[in-house]
Amino acid sequence: AQTVTQSQPEMSVQEAETVTLSCTYDTSENNYYLFWYKQPPSRQMILVIRQEAYKQQNATENRFSVNFQKAAKSFSLKISDSQLGDTAMYFCAFPPNFNSGGSNYKLTFGKGTLLTVNP
Amino acid sequence: DTGVSQNPRHKITKRGQNVTFRCDPISEHNRLYWYRQTLGQGPEFLTYFQNEAQLEKSRLLSDRFSAERPKGSFSTLEIQRTEQGDSAMYLCASSPAVLGTEAFFGQGTRLTVV
Repeated sequence: AQTVTQSQPEMSVQEAETVTLSCTYDTSENNYYLFWYKQPPSRQMILVIRQEAYKQQNATENRFSVNFQKAAKSFSLKISDSQLGDTAMYFCAFPPNFNSGGSNYKLTFGKGTLLTVNP
Repeated sequence: DTGVSQNPRHKITKRGQNVTFRCDPISEHNRLYWYRQTLGQGPEFLTYFQNEAQLEKSRLLSDRFSAERPKGSFSTLEIQRTEQGDSAMYLCASSPAVLGTEAFFGQGTRLTVV
C-alpha cells in the first residue's frame, strides 16, 4: 500500500525559531516527486516545496528546506525563522502512481501536522 | 482572480437531499481532481478528469456520487441522497499535464448534512 505518515499531529514553535516536521512514506517506485503543502485556517492549500526523488540535493525555498532521505523514505520539512503567518496545517504528499501514467498526479496525503507559531 | 474557484463555500443540507458543487479550474489546466477532507485527516482522492474524460474514480466514490466536466472546463460534483457521513470539505484541484508540476487547490466547499 502507498502510505504517507506524519507522526506529529501538533507542534508549536516560538516566532523566529526553527521547527522540523517529519514525514515518512512507502513506495516501490524509484523515481517520484514529494511535496509539502500548507493549509492556513479557512484558506486554500498551497505548495510549500517539492523534491524530486532522483535528485540528491535537498530542495530549498527561502526559509523552507527539506531533509530527504530516500533509503529511509523520509521527507522532513524544516522551517527557519518561523513567522506568525506560518501557522497552518502542513501536509506531506506524493503521487504514488507517478510512473504508471494517467492519474500520475493523484496525490496521497498524510494526516497533517498543525503548526502553531507563538509570538 | 485566476486561481481555482469553488462554489458554494459552505452548504448545509438535510439528510436525503441532493447537493451539487461547482469547480472552475485554472483555465489552461487540463487536469482536474476532486478530493474529500474530513476533520483531522488529509485530503483523500475522489476522482480525476483529463479534459472532459473522467479517468479514475476512488472506491470512496459511492454510486450516490457523480462528477462531470462537460467541455473540459468547469466541473460539478453531485451527491444524491446525502448522509451524515458525507459531511466534509470537498476540495477541487487542477494542474497542467506536466510531470512534477504542482496541483493548485481551491478553497473548498464545506458540506454539513444535518
